Amino acid sequence: KAGVTQTPRYLIKTRGQQVTLSCSPISGHRSVSWYQQTPGQGLQFLFEYFSETQRNKGNFPGRFSGRQFSNSRSEMNVSTLELGDSALYLCASSMGVAGEGVSGELFFGEGSRLTVL
Amino acid sequence: SQKIEQNSEALNIQEGKTATLTCNYTNYSPAYLQWYRQDPGRGPVFLLLIRENEKEKRKERLKVTFDTTLKQSLFHITASQPADSATYLCAFYGQNFVFGPGTRLSVLP
Repeated sequence: KAGVTQTPRYLIKTRGQQVTLSCSPISGHRSVSWYQQTPGQGLQFLFEYFSETQRNKGNFPGRFSGRQFSNSRSEMNVSTLELGDSALYLCASSMGVAGEGVSGELFFGEGSRLTVL
Repeated sequence: SQKIEQNSEALNIQEGKTATLTCNYTNYSPAYLQWYRQDPGRGPVFLLLIRENEKEKRKERLKVTFDTTLKQSLFHITASQPADSATYLCAFYGQNFVFGPGTRLSVLP
C-alpha cells in the first residue's frame, strides 16, 4: 500500500512569509504527527492529531499550527517565517494513538525541506 | 523534561564487526522503546520495538536490549555491512514521541 506522502518536497521562502505543508497518511491510519528536524536539535515533536483533534503540541511558538481533516490528511502552517525555521519537516502516521493499547510504530514520509532566506 | 541521549554522534566500524549503539533515557519510564534508521534526506524507518518486560528482541542481524534499571537500551548490528551505514535513532512515547539525537554509523569496507 502507498506510504506517507508529503508535499511539497522542497520549498524556499523568505522571512516574513508563511508556508503550508501537506501530509497524506497511510490508508487506514488515523493518527498523524509532525516533527521538525535540524542538525542541531534533532527530531523535535510539533503536534499530534487523531480523528481531527489535536492531542498534543510540542514546545513551539504559536506561529506553528496544524489541522487534520476528516480523511486523516493533515496540514501544518508556519506563519511569519524566520531564518531558524529552515529545517526538514517530517510527518508520520500510525494506526492509533501510542500509549492507548497501541505500540504506535511510526511510518514517516520523506519530509518537506524548507529553506528560509 | 523527558530526554534521550545516544552514546556518540558518530561511530565507525569495520565491515563484519558488531556495531553497538547506546540509548539512555531520563525523567521517564517508558513502556517500550523503538529504534529507527534514517538515511540522508529521507524519513526515519522503523526497525524494532522492545517492551519494558522484554530483556531482548532480535530481528535478523539486529538485536535490541532494554534495561529498565539502567534506563538504557543497546542496539546491536552483527556482521555489519557498508549498507548498514545510516543514522540510528532511539525513541519512546511519553506525553508524545521523544527521539534521541541519533548515532551516525559508518561501516567501512
